[in-house]
Amino acid sequence: GAVVSQHPSWVICKSGTSVKIECRSLDFQATTMFWYRQFPKQSLMLMATSNEGSKATYEQGVEKDKFLINHASLTLSTLTVTSAHPEDSSFYICSASKVEHTYEQYFGPGTRLTVT
Amino acid sequence: AQSVAQPEDQVNVAEGNPLTVKCTYSVSGNPYLFWYVQYPNRGLQFLLKYITGDNLVKGSYGFEAEFNKSQTSFHLKKPSALVSDSALYFCAVRDLNSGNTPLVFGKGTRLSVIA
Repeated sequence: GAVVSQHPSWVICKSGTSVKIECRSLDFQATTMFWYRQFPKQSLMLMATSNEGSKATYEQGVEKDKFLINHASLTLSTLTVTSAHPEDSSFYICSASKVEHTYEQYFGPGTRLTVT
Repeated sequence: AQSVAQPEDQVNVAEGNPLTVKCTYSVSGNPYLFWYVQYPNRGLQFLLKYITGDNLVKGSYGFEAEFNKSQTSFHLKKPSALVSDSALYFCAVRDLNSGNTPLVFGKGTRLSVIA
């Protein structure tokens, strides 16, 4: 199997607070994890690519100081939305690639963030 | 650069009728193609993929897709649609020769199956 989990599945927070979302590969080691953002009725937009033990690579237009990504181990990556604002409300989805099959991506179930 | 086009925002089909959701792609090398389905407030569920071999790929829930290199297409099909197939469908591609780059997604096609 290749299972990816995300926690929490949904979160509501107040403006100005920070929120951390975890992405875990449960039964495999992931060299690379990807973070996507999805607005209602729209496609997935890649935010950043993170490799274990190194700094994440952010896509153009994504603020790295606002969306902090840490890939501390081969099974865990975290996305922290700092000083959240209502416009950060979105569905965040992570995916992970296996060490031995780098071309395959396995997706987490997503995290719904609502900032009030 | 890689890109995917899903020309239809919405596809409506009657239950029991065949369905097709269109996808065309562009890559510089050989494509690695996927279809995913997404239900409301849920993550992506893998349906099928094409990497090499037989052009007709069979996947989950009775779906299949045909890889057409000359037309650079990878249309998703099902012989008989179910109401439960109503969801958002995404086609995705990556270039096999591009290293560990992420999938590029189409904008999605909303399928509505009417009873």
